[in-house]
Amino acid sequence: ILNVEQSPQSLHVQEGDSTNFTCSFPSSNFYALHWYRWETAKSPEALFVMTLNGDEKKKGRISATLNTKEGYSYLYIKGSQPEDSATYLCAFITTGANNLFFGTGTRLTVIP
Amino acid sequence: GAVVSQHPSRVICKSGTSVKIECRSLDFQATTMFWYRQFPKQSLMLMATSNEGSKATYEQGVEKDKFLINHASLTLSTLTVTSAHPEDSSFYICSAPRQGNEKLFFGSGTQLSVL
Repeated sequence: ILNVEQSPQSLHVQEGDSTNFTCSFPSSNFYALHWYRWETAKSPEALFVMTLNGDEKKKGRISATLNTKEGYSYLYIKGSQPEDSATYLCAFITTGANNLFFGTGTRLTVIP
Repeated sequence: GAVVSQHPSRVICKSGTSVKIECRSLDFQATTMFWYRQFPKQSLMLMATSNEGSKATYEQGVEKDKFLINHASLTLSTLTVTSAHPEDSSFYICSAPRQGNEKLFFGSGTQLSVL
C-alpha cells in the first residue's frame, strides 16, 4: 500500500476567496496522478490526469500542478463559489500497476 | 460523460445475510471494474478488480469467498457480501476505466450497515 497524503483534511473559505491544497505521493516509480471532485451523494468526477513533471492543467477556475521529482501536486481554485464545495481526492498510479492509490481527500466548504 | 450506475445506494441488513451490489456502465463497455471500500475517515481502498469473462483479482487481505464478484457482461459487475457481519459495514464504490480514456468513472457508492 502506497501512502498518498492530502492536506489540509478540511477547509472553509469565503465565497470569492482563492484556495489551494496539497497531495503528496511517493516520488519513485511515478506513472500518473489523478484529481477527482466528489460532491456529497454523487459520484466522484475526474478533474485532471497528470503524467509529466511540471505539468499544469486548467479547467475553468480550477488548476493543478505536478512535481514528480519531489512527489507533490497542488490543486488551486480561483474565486471559490458555493458549488465548489466538495471533497477533492487525489490518486496515484505507479508504473506497472493498474489501480489507483487514493488520499483521504480535502473537504472544501465555500461559505456564501 | 460516461455513466456508471450503482445500486442500492444504501442497505441495512441483519448479520448473516448476503447483500448484492450492482454496478452498470450505461453508455460504454466496461471490461474492467474496480471495487473499492472506504471506512470512516480513511481513503478509498481497492478490494478487487473484476474483468469481464474471467475471475476477479483480489487485493491482499480481502477474502474472495466472502466478497463474491461477478462480471458476466460488458455492462454489469456485481459484488456480493456473503454472510455479512457488523465489521463489513462500510461504504462500497465501483469504478471503471473507459477505453481510450485515462480517467475512472465511478458509481455513486453503497453504504452498507450490518446490524
